[in-house]
Amino acid sequence: ILNVEQSPQSLHVQEGDSTNFTCSFPSSNFYALHWYRWETAKSPEALFVMTLNGDEKKKGRISATLNTKEGYSYLYIKGSQPEDSATYLCVLKAAGNKLTFGGGTRVLVKP
Amino acid sequence: DAGVIQSPRHEVTEMGQEVTLRCKPISGHDYLFWYRQTMMRGLELLIYFNNNVPIDDSGMPEDRFSAKMPNASFSTLKIQPSEPRDSAVYFCASTRGVHRLGGEKLFFGSGTQLSVL
Repeated sequence: ILNVEQSPQSLHVQEGDSTNFTCSFPSSNFYALHWYRWETAKSPEALFVMTLNGDEKKKGRISATLNTKEGYSYLYIKGSQPEDSATYLCVLKAAGNKLTFGGGTRVLVKP
Repeated sequence: DAGVIQSPRHEVTEMGQEVTLRCKPISGHDYLFWYRQTMMRGLELLIYFNNNVPIDDSGMPEDRFSAKMPNASFSTLKIQPSEPRDSAVYFCASTRGVHRLGGEKLFFGSGTQLSVL
């Protein structure tokens, strides 16, 4: 069983502040790491797909880094806005095409 | 493309009844996944198909659950008989790329909210 851990489980951010949170995963048999954004009452939407150690991806004010050797990925939100409020999921794809979801980090941006 | 389409959006049924959830993947996608979201276990993979063939059903909770994909544009998840603990949101997702599965993002449907009374 692959263990994908996200921390913190939830966080509150003041509008305008920047924040970041972590996805940890076993580094063996790594194939890819996906980040999804999941707003309440909607379905998850892909943010990033990362496959190489040292990958950095950016989409607007959101960016992510990947360290496959130590088994972690960070997601950063710069200048948080209320519309960034969502649950952010990381998903590990390991050898054998197994997809394992983390528990998510719920972000609430307060105006 | 309309995206991944799931039906029904909401299903309320009584314990013991058969429930069938439906999914239409995005045209051209050759992978289809069924997920279940619960408060206790988060989002968990139930089963996935590649080219209409079930590849990994290790996440299917028990024999009451079955899934089929008779063609590339349709899949069903059936629960018979249903139990209150099956109450959850069931998501279908699809993607493409046999050799690039690691690099292809999932597209999720809107989910089916199932309540078993």
